[in-house]
Amino acid sequence: GAGVSQTPSNKVTEKGKYVELRCDPISGHTALYWYRQSLGQGPEFLIYFQGTGAADDSGLPNDRFFAVRPEGSVSTLKIQRTERGDSAVYLCASSLKNPGLAGALYYEQYFGPGTRLTVT
Amino acid sequence: GDSVTQMEGPVTLSEEAFLTINCTYTATGYPSLFWYVQYPGEGLQLLLKATKADDKGSNKGFEATYRKETTSFHLEKGSVQVSDSAVYFCALSDRDDKIIFGKGTRLHILP
Repeated sequence: GAGVSQTPSNKVTEKGKYVELRCDPISGHTALYWYRQSLGQGPEFLIYFQGTGAADDSGLPNDRFFAVRPEGSVSTLKIQRTERGDSAVYLCASSLKNPGLAGALYYEQYFGPGTRLTVT
Repeated sequence: GDSVTQMEGPVTLSEEAFLTINCTYTATGYPSLFWYVQYPGEGLQLLLKATKADDKGSNKGFEATYRKETTSFHLEKGSVQVSDSAVYFCALSDRDDKIIFGKGTRLHILP
């Protein structure tokens, strides 16, 4: 079946502009995660959705970053007033994790190909 | 907070050499441990995992053992191939399921 998809694959924007990055999770996956990978670093957690709600947004670096998942499927990461330091690859992942159901303690996260954001 | 430290790269080996990439972790709970791999031009993939102490994860000839006493999860492979050239990330996840990654180790295998 289809994996996690992210659009666009590349985005170049000018400093100060607004950008939206989209993630389509695997069908049926209730959990969705955003990570940011800066050059030469490992991915860093940004936010985790369970269904439509943000269960953990502790990784968002500041209030310029915001993410939504209005129907519990597609998610959009929004960055206002972009800065050059926001340049990175933004990764999305999804999993079957559902705290409301008894089941395995661990659910594999499946990653998308990422969106490379360049702020000039 | 929780963290992962892995050996810095790049690591360059000849084909059929033995590979070890060291990884240690710091965690307050009892995390699950992972190795992820990122092949050139591809997305991040789970290579192997171990969810409790003394578990051994294995896949594609790679192995790693969850060592609680040394807080380590070293990646090993007995005979590497050119196709193993990639960036390898050690990672952990605690009950909240966010994954904490190391900085990655770039591996080059020479034919």
